[in-house]
Amino acid sequence: AQSVSQHNHHVILSEAASLELGCNYSYGGTVNLFWYVQYPGQHLQLLLKYFSGDPLVKGIKGFEAEFIKSKFSFNLRKPSVQWSDTAEYFCAVRGGRRALTFGSGTRLQVQP
Amino acid sequence: NAGVTQTPKFQVLKTGQSMTLQCAQDMNHEYMSWYRQDPGMGLRLIHYSVGAGITDQGEVPNGYNVSRSTTEDFPLRLLSAAPSQTSVYFCASRGSLGGNQPQHFGDGTRLSIL
Repeated sequence: AQSVSQHNHHVILSEAASLELGCNYSYGGTVNLFWYVQYPGQHLQLLLKYFSGDPLVKGIKGFEAEFIKSKFSFNLRKPSVQWSDTAEYFCAVRGGRRALTFGSGTRLQVQP
Repeated sequence: NAGVTQTPKFQVLKTGQSMTLQCAQDMNHEYMSWYRQDPGMGLRLIHYSVGAGITDQGEVPNGYNVSRSTTEDFPLRLLSAAPSQTSVYFCASRGSLGGNQPQHFGDGTRLSIL
């Protein structure tokens, strides 16, 4: 079975601080990895995805993530956060033809 | 494009009532799925379908039924609502089973069971 673990449940940062959200997964085969964002009162939106190739993936709004296969990790990063980045962030994994499995989410609060 | 459309957006039920959450997509996607989102637990898969006529259980299927009579529609039925089913429900679809396609999510249905 596949599973996802997000280490940080609630992160509070000041504007312009750097962000790194941890995500580890477990699955024995080839995986597709995703980060989704959910702004308050809205549905999930795809930030970025990794299927194959360059393990450093760039997404929308200045976010990036690095797939480290040896560590089963797919951490999300942003060099300088903005107040508008306040949201909940979900890491998700899909192994083979299976459905997406989501982590429990990280609530990011950016203070102006 | 409408994408993934969920109705209703909000619903309040009494314990024991039944209802159907509707989900429709206009992208000719093969794969559709239902998730529930609860605080601190992320999204958990309830049921999914890999095509018309084919459904399977996800992580938390108890208390829910699904059917997939057409490619476009994937309704979720609560047979006898329980307070534990109070949640936000998201429907999602994806184009290709084997290809590299992300999921498209609907706007969600916020369901309260009294």
